[in-house]
Amino acid sequence: AQTVTQSQPEMSVQEAETVTLSCTYDTSESNYYLFWYKQPPSRQMILVIRQEAYKQQNATENRFSVNFQKAAKSFSLKISDSQLGDTAMYFCAFTDIQGAQKLVFGQGTRLTINP
Amino acid sequence: EPEVTQTPSHQVTQMGQEVILRCVPISNHLYFYWYRQILGQKVEFLVSFYNNEISEKSEIFDDQFSVERPDGSNFTLKIRSTKLEDSAMYFCASSIETANVLTFGAGSRLTVL
Repeated sequence: AQTVTQSQPEMSVQEAETVTLSCTYDTSESNYYLFWYKQPPSRQMILVIRQEAYKQQNATENRFSVNFQKAAKSFSLKISDSQLGDTAMYFCAFTDIQGAQKLVFGQGTRLTINP
Repeated sequence: EPEVTQTPSHQVTQMGQEVILRCVPISNHLYFYWYRQILGQKVEFLVSFYNNEISEKSEIFDDQFSVERPDGSNFTLKIRSTKLEDSAMYFCASSIETANVLTFGAGSRLTVL
């Protein structure tokens, strides 16, 4: 069974700083997708970024980028120039392509951006 | 931008009562999902639905739970006899194809007393 682990329950940085959230996963599949979702206080789940395992290039979306290390099964999220609106829970998630019926989520990291 | 709509946003019910949570997925999406998040915990998969049948379900999704797409637009989750431990946020999601990006609704908070 696939598992996703986020080892940082909480993080806090000053506005405009860069912060990196860690995620590791376990799977025997070779082809899969990885995601970072943001859950602000409103509790809606919002997709931040997606990475396809067969792509070596790390995904980027504006201030958000990932460091995908397939051999190490590591998928960290870097937020540059952090903003107050980035304050949220961040969940790492995995889905394989073969079954591809569900997302497996990590426990989440509560990120607070301080003014 | 198309949205997944969920109703009600919050429901309070007595233990043992039946509850129906409703979702309107994005119109051209073909895959539908329910997830659950107990307060302070991670989001957990409940069930996926495709072509008018369940395609996968988790061990959480026992006989007390059922899903239905009654009219081609709504997608419902029914809990037959609620328990205290069913108190959670329930998220509906849809996707245009499997393994693609899921769009989540805003969630329905269920409180069982």
